[in-house]
Amino acid sequence: DAKTTQPNSMESNEEEPVHLPCNHSTISGTDYIHWYRQLPSQGPEYVIHGLTSNVNNRMASLAIAEDRKSSTLILHRATLRDAAVYYCILDLSGNTPLVFGKGTRLSVIA
Amino acid sequence: DGGITQSPKYLFRKEGQNVTLSCEQNLNHDAMYWYRQDPGQGLRLIYYSQIVNDFQKGDIAEGYSVSREKKESFPLTVTSAQKNPTAFYLCASTTPGTGGRDYGYTFGSGTRLTVV
Repeated sequence: DAKTTQPNSMESNEEEPVHLPCNHSTISGTDYIHWYRQLPSQGPEYVIHGLTSNVNNRMASLAIAEDRKSSTLILHRATLRDAAVYYCILDLSGNTPLVFGKGTRLSVIA
Repeated sequence: DGGITQSPKYLFRKEGQNVTLSCEQNLNHDAMYWYRQDPGQGLRLIYYSQIVNDFQKGDIAEGYSVSREKKESFPLTVTSAQKNPTAFYLCASTTPGTGGRDYGYTFGSGTRLTVV
């Protein structure tokens, strides 16, 4: 399995930016980097994905290192509703099911 | 609105009984997936289907069975052979070939199964 490494937990103050790191040193050239988040007692929700270039959408930004061995999910202004488990996943091919690790549990403090 | 519906939200089962969890989607997705989540853990893949009338085992298929007779539906049966079935079950779908690269996986809200 293509492996990603994330911190078990992180904490952020409300309305401050949050940088969630992910290491994926075994990534290959065609692997996409996906991020999902899971709110308590809900199914995961797609956040963002990318291949080589940085990506932005309405939810977050994804910064990918030049060597692609790490990436960072950026929440520009954390709110209490962003408290969730965030999963960083490598998409190995178009048909291989995604593998979800334990992710990073983000706590947001008011 | 398009989405995935899982029912019921909570399910209680007596030991030794089979139970079927429902998963229906109206997203016109060809690929569907079943994952299991235990407390404090990530998701583990049970079964997946890329197309109607075809499905593959995931990492923890023992004690489970599925069918895919319609594009919209991918029910999961937890059989009495599953030794530790109490868990949170999640269904997902996506467009195959892209691996969710265009829009990602869409998940249902889950079914929490408890064996009593």
